[in-house]
Amino acid sequence: GAVVSQHPSWVICKSGTSVKIECRSLDFQATTMFWYRQFPKQSLMLMATSNEGSKATYEQGVEKDKFLINHASLTLSTLTVTSAHPEDSSFYICSARDPRTGLSTDTQYFGPGTRLTVL
Amino acid sequence: AQSVTQPDIHITVSEGASLELRCNYSYGATPYLFWYVQSPGQGLQLLLKYFSGDTLVQGIKGFEAEFKRSQSSFNLRKPSVHWSDAAEYFCAVVLGYGGSQGNLIFGKGTKLSVKP
Repeated sequence: GAVVSQHPSWVICKSGTSVKIECRSLDFQATTMFWYRQFPKQSLMLMATSNEGSKATYEQGVEKDKFLINHASLTLSTLTVTSAHPEDSSFYICSARDPRTGLSTDTQYFGPGTRLTVL
Repeated sequence: AQSVTQPDIHITVSEGASLELRCNYSYGATPYLFWYVQSPGQGLQLLLKYFSGDTLVQGIKGFEAEFKRSQSSFNLRKPSVHWSDAAEYFCAVVLGYGGSQGNLIFGKGTKLSVKP
């Protein structure tokens, strides 16, 4: 299957700083990417849907000014956690949709995730 | 509201034993259902999916799942578990299809441990 990478795999930062997480589709062009957040022993919660060249669509309750998403190219989406606080510590996972496979419902390929710890 | 329930948080089975992971969904229309596996350091990997047709779906790594509309269930099974199957398993349903975004709704996951 298609490969999606994330960088960094883990990051520790001080409270008040900003952190950027990259999500790349390595062998396909992804018109749509998704960002999820996963708390310990919890399911993945969709944060936002990112479409190349347009503004991201945020889920209810997700602060768009805090979680900045940029999908400037067909292979890269970035999530920037601005002014991070300890409660932002979590596991962030991206996925990318491969449009080559036809159906819009089954083509999400997931990155390995980024563990963010805010001190 | 649409939801996915995985009743078992943690299951331990012996290597070679059979496995069944439960998944129930709440969704008004015909659902699109998925099972994913998450191993440490790796992204979620799709095991199998159900869209329509035969209610018994075969997936990768020897897994299968059966869609039962009357029970709103999509349980994952494997006849003989291997130590490498130890991981977190997520059931998911997609909202919408076709021209929609196809957003996935995940269950909370079931952690599988395998005893030697």
